Amino acid sequence: AQKVTQAQTEISVVEKEDVTLDCVYETRDTTYYLFWYKQPPSGELVFLIRRNSFDEQNEISGRYSWNFQKSTSSFNFTITASQVVDSAVYFCALSAVRGGDKIIFGKGTRLHILP
Amino acid sequence: GAVVSQHPSRVICKSGTSVKIECRSLDFQATTMFWYRQFPKQSLMLMATSNEGSKATYEQGVEKDKFLINHASLTLSTLTVTSAHPEDSSFYICSAGRGRGVTEAFFGQGTRLTVV
Repeated sequence: AQKVTQAQTEISVVEKEDVTLDCVYETRDTTYYLFWYKQPPSGELVFLIRRNSFDEQNEISGRYSWNFQKSTSSFNFTITASQVVDSAVYFCALSAVRGGDKIIFGKGTRLHILP
Repeated sequence: GAVVSQHPSRVICKSGTSVKIECRSLDFQATTMFWYRQFPKQSLMLMATSNEGSKATYEQGVEKDKFLINHASLTLSTLTVTSAHPEDSSFYICSAGRGRGVTEAFFGQGTRLTVV
């Protein structure tokens, strides 16, 4: 079975602070993909990153960075110097080859960046 | 990236009527499309997987006769909510897979359905 856990339901930080969104996943597959999506109030899903299970290298893209640790089955997402426009719901997701290639989403973390 | 277009973005219908939602891959062929449902302030729940030319595979608990899915071509999948009820009001999102599985999956803009 596949499962994605985002323990943080809602987070509020003041603008310019750094914030880390946690994601823990479960799968028995050795080949899988992890994703992060942003969902602003408009509802559209904005793709942020995809990482395959064989690539544990951390990634940085501007103010965004991701820490993938297979040892703890975690794929955490950090926003540095947060901005009000970062306010949204963020979903971590998992897709495993033997799981039928379906993308399974976590429950999401609602992030509020306060001015 | 590839573009997936979902239409309509919003629809209001009366109880008892049926509503069709379209999901199109505009610049690639999607052998597999997925339909998700999202209740307010909740996660996306996979409803079904559709493969071009074959019957859709529904997730446990999803009524096949209520949520009809058709994937008639490599660029179009449709979800029809039949005999809609207020409890069917939700946000429906499709995604289309390009190539092998969902290593590359692209999402539509979503459809907000309100049944009155």
